[in-house]
Amino acid sequence: SQQGEEDPQALSIQEGENATMNCSYKTSINNLQWYRQNSGRGLVHLILIRSNEREKHSGRLRVTLDTSKKSSSLLITASRAADTASYFCAIPSGGSNYKLTFGKGTLLTVNP
Amino acid sequence: SQTIHQWPATLVQPVGSPLSLECTVEGTSNPNLYWYRQAAGRGLQLLFYSVGIGQISSEVPQNLSASRPQDRQFILSSKKLLLSDSGFYLCAWRRTGGIYEQYFGPGTRLTVT
Repeated sequence: SQQGEEDPQALSIQEGENATMNCSYKTSINNLQWYRQNSGRGLVHLILIRSNEREKHSGRLRVTLDTSKKSSSLLITASRAADTASYFCAIPSGGSNYKLTFGKGTLLTVNP
Repeated sequence: SQTIHQWPATLVQPVGSPLSLECTVEGTSNPNLYWYRQAAGRGLQLLFYSVGIGQISSEVPQNLSASRPQDRQFILSSKKLLLSDSGFYLCAWRRTGGIYEQYFGPGTRLTVT
């Protein structure tokens, strides 16, 4: 089954800088989701963007979706040390809405 | 509001011993339930999912099984653990039907020795 692939695998920035992570996939989808995972913890849902949406915001997070290029990006503005975590994109799999396939994630390190 | 619980938080078990991990969800009814495993530094592997009581779908043939004895209870089991069963196990739920996000429990760190 297909999965989203995040890029880069790891990203290290300074506090206050912006962080951009990308996700690419191969087949048509009706939604794409981004999650965050702090070390040793469960995943936390960040944003769900539907295929008819091009951009979505939540606080300092901005997600874009380009269905023609089969890609999505997650932008974190004015990053903080607390943003240090792994970020995963997830897409529906098996032709259903109730199963998700997760990528391997981008490890973001924000240095104070 | 909805809450998801998982226990235990950590577990160290010898090879060949049985396993039982439990997950319960509060504040919702008829959720879709999921068990994932995450190897160190890797993504999530879907192990089992359930769309209703007694309905279990297995994604990966392996040494594990799952059961859903009650609407909001999901159990992951093994009769005999293997070294390769070590990992971080995550339970998740979502609302039934439509396009919804998943909500994850805190996870169980299993080490098989």
